Amino acid sequence: QKEVEQDPGPLSVPEGAIVSLNCTYSNSAFQYFMWYRQYSRKGPELLMYTYSSGNKEDGRFTAQVDKSSKYISLFIRDSQPSDSATYLCAMMAYGQNFVFGPGTRLSVLP
Amino acid sequence: NAGVTQTPKFQVLKTGQSMTLQCAQDMNHNSMYWYRQDPGMGLRLIYYSASEGTTDKGEVPNGYNVSRLNKREFSLRLESAAPSQTSVYFCASSQPRGPGNTIYFGEGSWLTVV
Repeated sequence: QKEVEQDPGPLSVPEGAIVSLNCTYSNSAFQYFMWYRQYSRKGPELLMYTYSSGNKEDGRFTAQVDKSSKYISLFIRDSQPSDSATYLCAMMAYGQNFVFGPGTRLSVLP
Repeated sequence: NAGVTQTPKFQVLKTGQSMTLQCAQDMNHNSMYWYRQDPGMGLRLIYYSASEGTTDKGEVPNGYNVSRLNKREFSLRLESAAPSQTSVYFCASSQPRGPGNTIYFGEGSWLTVV
């Protein structure tokens, strides 16, 4: 079993839809959780960072962490074609290296 | 503000050739990393340098060597390239792996070994 699992997609949604992207993990030592967005032929860029269980909102994006279930989610409201990208979840335990999910490719259709 | 800069962006190598990927960061980060990204495999850590003067193996170090030249620069060398090393390579940097610190990536280097 991989340390971090992520729905591989691809996921296609119409413009304006609510998108839910999810990751599960097995290492209970993970404390820090991130979502990265990667456009085609570009490097991953940080989208959201969360430390504790609960929700964090930034504009149309909401990151949710449930440590008891070892489950994190990224919600995108009112999705736009410009949101079309691969989304990577990432996690870290204190003093350890970052661990990335394999990514979910999202297409938002106009 | 350039962030993490890596060169070259594209390279085609013949099997057995050697090459070095260069990386520099201007964020005064202590830690630097080299990852490879393959379809369905996600980002896999090749080598990292937690601080200037130290380097450590990651998940897939075989066939690679690294040099932390100074705090800013971290290079990745393929001594004898193999087709299995065809991939996209990302350099990254971060502050020490603790609260509030996240990892920043370069734009990637596309390497094809024929």
